Amino acid sequence: AIQLTQSPSSLSASVGDRVTITCRASQGISSALAWYQQKPGKAPKLLIYDASSLESGVPSRFSGSGSGTDFTLTISSLQPEDFATYYCQQFNSPYTFGQGTKLEIK
Amino acid sequence: EVQLVQSGAEVKKPGESLKISCKGSGYSFTSYWIGWVRQMPGKGLEWMGIIYPGDSDTRYSPSFQGQVTISADKSISTAYLQWSSLKASDTAMYYCVRLRTGDSHYFDYWGQGTLVTVSS
Repeated sequence: AIQLTQSPSSLSASVGDRVTITCRASQGISSALAWYQQKPGKAPKLLIYDASSLESGVPSRFSGSGSGTDFTLTISSLQPEDFATYYCQQFNSPYTFGQGTKLEIK
Repeated sequence: EVQLVQSGAEVKKPGESLKISCKGSGYSFTSYWIGWVRQMPGKGLEWMGIIYPGDSDTRYSPSFQGQVTISADKSISTAYLQWSSLKASDTAMYYCVRLRTGDSHYFDYWGQGTLVTVSS
């Protein structure tokens, strides 16, 4: 199975900061990657699909890039509601998730 | 409006059986794969398997093959996840998800989650 490694595992940042989270696949997956946001006690929410396509209704401060094995999720200017855990997921069966990145307030 | 509504929380003893459900509405239930995702307490997300309600084609993650059974009843737009003999290590939140396919693959809708607690 393809393994996804996210970095960092946790991150402290301030409102207004630009933040980048990285997801590395153990083998090439083209652009078959999605990003999700999960807040405590809630189901995950789709942010980005196809590595760089923004899901409808998701603020434009979120963006994704990459293909092959290296991917990034960028939040251009952190807002208070963005503090959450973020997961990447690849879609070559068996589907796998990264271990998550917890984004905390500095 | 697309919705996936899951059954309520369960408390079971080791060795008991369990079947939890996920009812889809607001879309053609037989036209989309439905999957299940596990989240153990304080841990990350794990994909368990998917089913296509149109023909009941089912795929499992190797990690969950033989451990659970995924099924669906298209007449009532409901997917199921079941265990024949629960273990304490099955304690987790379980989410059902809708898989968007075609040129792109992603889980576009998530259920609210069903918390399963297995304890003696």
